[in-house]
Amino acid sequence: DAGVIQSPRHEVTEMGQEVTLRCKPISGHDYLFWYRQTMMRGLELLIYFNNNVPIDDSGMPEDRFSAKMPNASFSTLKIQPSEPRDSAVYFCASSPEYRWDRQSTGELFFGEGSRLTVL
Amino acid sequence: AQSVTQLGSHVSVSEGALVLLRCNYSSSVPPYLFWYVQYPNQGLQLLLKYTSAATLVKGINGFEAEFKKSETSFHLTKPSAHMSDAAEYFCAVSLSGNTPLVFGKGTRLSVIA
Repeated sequence: DAGVIQSPRHEVTEMGQEVTLRCKPISGHDYLFWYRQTMMRGLELLIYFNNNVPIDDSGMPEDRFSAKMPNASFSTLKIQPSEPRDSAVYFCASSPEYRWDRQSTGELFFGEGSRLTVL
Repeated sequence: AQSVTQLGSHVSVSEGALVLLRCNYSSSVPPYLFWYVQYPNQGLQLLLKYTSAATLVKGINGFEAEFKKSETSFHLTKPSAHMSDAAEYFCAVSLSGNTPLVFGKGTRLSVIA
């Protein structure tokens, strides 16, 4: 089975440019998460969706960041305009449910990440 | 607010030696605790999770972790390190069964031949 697929794997851009990161979750997973990983702050949750609907975007740093999920098999994270401090690895993860107790199958399945460098 | 602290951003062990990666949590109620591993250039994958059943949890690849409420700890151990264990390890916590996972900053494990 294919896992979570992210593209591009690497992106180098100049400050002020628009960046779009893409994610295809595992088929049948109702939950999709976007995380950002930096040395200083570790792994931070930016936003998550349930059945294509954004549920919690409180982790989105500012209005320059936006995320969409037009259908169950595709999501985008867009940064416009990009800044050097946005340089990070952005992970997409999906899960069949949003429960972590022992009766659940809840588990985050991560993609390989998109490494963004903003010059 | 819930959080986890991973002591030591980098741990180095010899092949065959004990692996001990430390994680302490802050929570007023018993949380759900997880260890994830990230191999180079890959995404994170679940190693094991504690969900209020047995306090000693066994995971994949010979790893295990013990929940100690009195010490608010959930340290990860493996009796004998293998070269393939070299990776970054993340501890994560969820306050209840359906709140977002909060990750620690990670510990990079190096295994020396």
